[in-house]
Amino acid sequence: NAGVMQNPRHLVRRRGQEARLRCSPMKGHSHVYWYRQLPEEGLKFMVYLQKENIIDESGMPKERFSAEFPKEGPSILRIQQVVRGDSAAYFCASSPDILNTEAFFGQGTRLTVV
Amino acid sequence: QQQVKQSPQSLIVQKGGISIINCAYENTAFDYFPWYQQFPGKGPALLIAIRPDVSEKKEGRFTISFNKSAKQFSLHIMDSQPGDSATYFCAARPINQAGTALIFGKGTTLSVSS
Repeated sequence: NAGVMQNPRHLVRRRGQEARLRCSPMKGHSHVYWYRQLPEEGLKFMVYLQKENIIDESGMPKERFSAEFPKEGPSILRIQQVVRGDSAAYFCASSPDILNTEAFFGQGTRLTVV
Repeated sequence: QQQVKQSPQSLIVQKGGISIINCAYENTAFDYFPWYQQFPGKGPALLIAIRPDVSEKKEGRFTISFNKSAKQFSLHIMDSQPGDSATYFCAARPINQAGTALIFGKGTTLSVSS
C-alpha cells in the first residue's frame, strides 16, 4: 500500500514563475490537507480538500495560492508569481474519512525560489 | 488565535537517558493530541496520540502525559537511542473543525549522543 505520494520532491523556480505541487493521497483516502513548513517553524495548515471540494482554506494566503482536488488525478497546490518568501517545504497529508483523526503525511516538496 | 507552544527548541540527551518534550495549549477546545516524529528530508510520521479523557498513554519507550487542568501535555522517551534523533512536533486538533486540520508546535530537535 503506497503512502502519500508527492512530486516533485524538489522544485526550483525563479521569482515570478508558477509552482505546481502534486499530491496523490493513500489509496482509499478522500481527504487531503496541505501544510507549509518554514525553517525552524512547525507545520502551518493551509487548506483541506475533499474530492472536487475545498472544505477549509482558512490557512491559504489570499493571493497567488490556490488548490484543487479533482475527481480524477492528484491534488494540486498552485502558487502563482512565486516570491522568495514562498521558499519552504510543502507537505500533503491524507485521511480516509472525517472521523478518522490520523493523517498520513507525504515526504514533501521543497520549493526554492531564486 | 489557537496556539500550541512547544519546548525546548532543542535537546541533547545521552544514550539511555530520558528525553522530555513539553507542550502547552491556550484553548480548551481541542480533542486530540498527537506527536509526530520527523527525520531530515522526510515527512512527519505519527508517533503516539492521546485524547483528553486519558491522563497517560504508553507505547513501548514512548509515553504521553496529559494534564487537562494545566492545559499541558508532554512526550517522554525512555532509554533514548541515537536512532531517536529527529525533530518532534506536538499537535492539537480543534473540536468541531472540519477534517483533521492539526495545529502544530514549532518542534523540538532531539539529538541522542552515543
